[in-house]
Amino acid sequence: DTAVSQTPKYLVTQMGNDKSIKCEQNLGHDTMYWYKQDSKKFLKIMFSYNNKELIINETVPNRFSPKSPDKAHLNLHINSLELGDSAVYFCASSQDQGLSGYTFGSGTRLTVV
Amino acid sequence: GQQVMQIPQYQHVQEGEDFTTYCNSSTTLSNIQWYKQRPGGHPVFLIQLVKSGEVKKQKRLTFQFGEAKKNSSLHITATQTTDVGTYFCARRDMTSGTYKYIFGTGTRLKVLA
Repeated sequence: DTAVSQTPKYLVTQMGNDKSIKCEQNLGHDTMYWYKQDSKKFLKIMFSYNNKELIINETVPNRFSPKSPDKAHLNLHINSLELGDSAVYFCASSQDQGLSGYTFGSGTRLTVV
Repeated sequence: GQQVMQIPQYQHVQEGEDFTTYCNSSTTLSNIQWYKQRPGGHPVFLIQLVKSGEVKKQKRLTFQFGEAKKNSSLHITATQTTDVGTYFCARRDMTSGTYKYIFGTGTRLKVLA
């Protein structure tokens, strides 16, 4: 069983479209995150939810909207996609505010054309 | 929060050679975590260091936390092709009572057979 699973794995879409990425974790963790990894491999936190409550909202365009229907799921919706949104988006989860490390999903490679 | 600098950015070694990556911060760190990301993969948690001067080993990997808790290193003895990937350190940051991990710039290791 995959601990943190993301769908889709690949997403190719045109500029201006709206798309969603889904994430689910079966570890019983109480905190989930979205990270963005650019072409230079920099990993940057975007959002974090703890038990369905948004606790971290970094400087991210408001075209990005996370949603957590329950503590095992965290989705990311992106409106009006731009070329610069092309990146790999990783979902992650943790317990104890990350003191035992983060468990990452396999990533969603988003390409905006 | 400030990004953590890692050096070198890239390293190519012959199989069997040793490898070290360094993580440096201008501020004192409460703890430091290390992750490995294989090419095309996702970051995987390796270890956490908490105490000043702490040294931990995992087979051929040796992790150190500086005495001043401002730097950390990961040393791999006798590299193998399976060690290929990007190694990240991550420091804990607290903003508005919420903890998150900020990832370093990463060191990409290539091992030549």
